[in-house]
Amino acid sequence: DTGVSQNPRHKITKRGQNVTFRCDPISEHNRLYWYRQTLGQGPEFLTYFQNEAQLEKSRLLSDRFSAERPKGSFSTLEIQRTEQGDSAMYLCASSLIPLNTEAFFGQGTRLTVV
Amino acid sequence: GQQVMQIPQYQHVQEGEDFTTYCNSSTTLSNIQWYKQRPGGHPVFLIQLVKSGEVKKQKRLTFQFGEAKKNSSLHITATQTTDVGTYFCAGLNTGTASKLTFGTGTRLQVTL
Repeated sequence: DTGVSQNPRHKITKRGQNVTFRCDPISEHNRLYWYRQTLGQGPEFLTYFQNEAQLEKSRLLSDRFSAERPKGSFSTLEIQRTEQGDSAMYLCASSLIPLNTEAFFGQGTRLTVV
Repeated sequence: GQQVMQIPQYQHVQEGEDFTTYCNSSTTLSNIQWYKQRPGGHPVFLIQLVKSGEVKKQKRLTFQFGEAKKNSSLHITATQTTDVGTYFCAGLNTGTASKLTFGTGTRLQVTL
């Protein structure tokens, strides 16, 4: 499969626990995005990378959220001390800038904080 | 920061009726993209518009990019039940360092 892969697909965690999600983009893609989506809403921008450089992090994002893309390939998104409000679908997308700005999305990781 | 709004939020039509969703950005865009998300699925790319005033067609779907490159529309002629889903516009600002910002989406329901 050569699409964007996200793991795990589902995660249930207790409030206060840390969680980490992984995204494997399409192999030649240099741009990687993380979005969060709740029911009935559009994808909300969290952060994005150009190769290994994190270019921007949403100002709405608390310090409990951190993302890495250490070698410019896969990326991880960590949420520390999870809260119930963190429950959402976390989507990863990749693209090849500047040749083609179309974003290819993974299936997402659904997080439920109980 | 940049905001991208869409109207309407929701539309319910009978099969065969037309449908239009409108997208407005608070800033000028270098290009605009449209995505469709089926219930339970992830956003899937439909099309990209780059030029001011550009119009593109995909079968029953017509996409327009405004002259000022701040608004866009998607029109579906003679809707079918397969058109059900949420349609998002997403804007890219100028420069290669810009990010893709999604609109609020329009959910389309089509019934027989």
